[in-house]
Amino acid sequence: AQTVTQSQPEMSVQEAETVTLSCTYDTSENNYYLFWYKQPPSRQMILVIRQEAYKQQNATENRFSVNFQKAAKSFSLKISDSQLGDTAMYFCAFQPNFGNEKLTFGTGTRLTIIP
Amino acid sequence: ETGVTQSPTHLIKTRGQQVTLRCSSQSGHNTVSWYQQALGQGPQFIFQYYREEENGRGNFPPRFSGLQFPNYSSELNVNALELDDSALYLCASSASGLRYEQYFGPGTRLTVT
Repeated sequence: AQTVTQSQPEMSVQEAETVTLSCTYDTSENNYYLFWYKQPPSRQMILVIRQEAYKQQNATENRFSVNFQKAAKSFSLKISDSQLGDTAMYFCAFQPNFGNEKLTFGTGTRLTIIP
Repeated sequence: ETGVTQSPTHLIKTRGQQVTLRCSSQSGHNTVSWYQQALGQGPQFIFQYYREEENGRGNFPPRFSGLQFPNYSSELNVNALELDDSALYLCASSASGLRYEQYFGPGTRLTVT
């Protein structure tokens, strides 16, 4: 079974600063996906960024980038030039690339951007 | 393109009752997954439906059951409700072969009293 651990329950940062959210996972699989999802107070789970395990290059989406360390089973999210709209819960998630490909989520990090 | 929708938005039930939650998948998607998100926790996988058949189940008792219809919409049924069933229920739809792209609905908030 896979597990996902987010060790930072809450974080806060000043607007326009950079913040990094941590995530570690445990799996015996070699072929999988990792995700960061954002859940604002509206509750809708929104995909922020996806990383495919077989790709060595770290994924980037505008202000969002990841640091994927496969051997260390670490997957952190960096948010640059943070904006007030980034305030939300952030969940790290693991998905195997076989079977029903269910998502396994961490417990989340509550990020607050301070004006 | 219509996104994933869920109904109702909120629901209050009494312990022991039964509840049905509904999910309409995104156009072109034939797979629906259901997740339970307790307060302050990450979502947990309940089960997945693919082409009207259950395609995997998480660690939930049999009183959690589901259906998928020919138009790929889905229902989650919970019998004999318990207080611990109070949670946000999320559904996500995806296309087979593209299950790394799961699109979530806004969720149904269930409160059991």
